[in-house]
Amino acid sequence: KQEVTQIPAALSVPEGENLVLNCSFTDSAIYNLQWFRQDPGKGLTSLLLIQSSQREQTSGRLNASLDKSSGRSTLYIAASQPGDSATYLCAVRGSARQLTFGSGTQLTVLP
Amino acid sequence: NAGVTQTPKFRILKIGQSMTLQCTQDMNHNYMYWYRQDPGMGLKLIYYSVGAGITDKGEVPNGYNVSRSTTEDFPLRLELAAPSQTSVYFCASSYWTSGSTDTQYFGPGTRLTVL
Repeated sequence: KQEVTQIPAALSVPEGENLVLNCSFTDSAIYNLQWFRQDPGKGLTSLLLIQSSQREQTSGRLNASLDKSSGRSTLYIAASQPGDSATYLCAVRGSARQLTFGSGTQLTVLP
Repeated sequence: NAGVTQTPKFRILKIGQSMTLQCTQDMNHNYMYWYRQDPGMGLKLIYYSVGAGITDKGEVPNGYNVSRSTTEDFPLRLELAAPSQTSVYFCASSYWTSGSTDTQYFGPGTRLTVL
């Protein structure tokens, strides 16, 4: 059974800092990996999707990498802003087409 | 496009009552999903559908039922509400075909409390 772990559970940084969020998964037979953002009381917004054949994806100040063999992904946020404060969720899709989610990292960017 | 819409936003049920959570998408997606999210946890898949008339169980299907009579709608039914079903419920949809990215789009959620 696939298990997804996100460390740390919570992170607080000053504005302007570059930061890395970590995601690990136990079964490397994945179809893709997605990073989502969740604001309090809201649904999830997809940030980046990395196919199993890819190593990284970039969107603006966000860069996600995937190392399938070691079961790890990182989400790099450059020049963090208070508006980046949210919970970031990692999810992997296996061959059964189901997403398995981590429990998230709650990020607070202090002005 | 409205994307994925869910109703109601909030609901309080008594133990043993039943209700239907509604979900509609206007993106002509073939796949639809129901997840639940307990406090401080990630999302767990309840049921999913690969197209009208086809549904399958996810990780935590007990206590729930679904149907998919149209491409747009995917209601989730709770027959005998229990306190363990207190959670936030999210509906999502995606379009998958060979070579597609299969990004999932989520609704705003329904916060359900069973007392």
